[in-house]
Amino acid sequence: GENVEQHPSTLSVQEGDSAVIKCTYSDSASNYFPWYKQELGKRPQLIIDIRSNVGEKKDQRIAVTLNKTAKHFSLHITETQPEDSAVYFCAAAPALQGAQKLVFGQGTRLTINP
Amino acid sequence: DTAVSQTPKYLVTQMGNDKSIKCEQNLGHDTMYWYKQDSKKFLKIMFSYNNKELIINETVPNRFSPKSPDKAHLNLHINSLELGDSAVYFCASSQYLNTIYFGEGSWLTVV
Repeated sequence: GENVEQHPSTLSVQEGDSAVIKCTYSDSASNYFPWYKQELGKRPQLIIDIRSNVGEKKDQRIAVTLNKTAKHFSLHITETQPEDSAVYFCAAAPALQGAQKLVFGQGTRLTINP
Repeated sequence: DTAVSQTPKYLVTQMGNDKSIKCEQNLGHDTMYWYKQDSKKFLKIMFSYNNKELIINETVPNRFSPKSPDKAHLNLHINSLELGDSAVYFCASSQYLNTIYFGEGSWLTVV
C-alpha cells in the first residue's frame, strides 16, 4: 500500500520568510496530492491540491510542486504570516480510488516567529 | 449550515463503557469516513463508506463498529472502551474521488 513520509516534523521561520515542507510517496500509481492545514483545536482543511498531470500549482502565497519521477512533492509558503502557524499534512491517493484511499504524512508543525 | 457535523464534540468516559459518535453531512456527498488522530497528530483512516456500503476497513479492533443508515449519516460505535482509544475522531465526506471535507472532530478521553 501507499506510504507517505513528510519532513520536517517541526519548522520555525521568521515572519516574512519562506517555508518549505517536503513529502515522498511510495506508490507510483498515486496521482492526487492534497495539502491540509490544521490550526490548534480545529479540523484539517484543504489548502491546495495537485494532480499528476501538472508539475506545479500556485494559489497566492502557496504553491505545490510535484516530481513524479522522484515520487516527491512539496509545499511552498512565501511571505509567511503569523496566521500560517499550524500543522500541515500532505497526502497521496491512488488513481482509481482517489480520496477514498488517501494516506496522510505525519504532519509538520510550522511556527512563524514575529 | 455546517457541512459535516459530528456530536458530541467532547466525550469523557470510563474504561469499559460503550459510546457512540454521530456524524451527518449536508453536502450531498456519496462517501463518508472516520479518521482517528492520536496525540502525536497522526491522521489515520479507520473506515470509509460509499453510498452506505463499507469500502475501506483498516486494521481497527472490532470493538469499533461503523453504521451508515443513509448516505448522509455515518455513526461510530465503540464497545468496551480502553485507555488507548483516547484520541480525536474526525468524520469526513467527499464526492467520489474528490476533496475530503472534515467535521469539527470529537475529543474522546477514556479514564
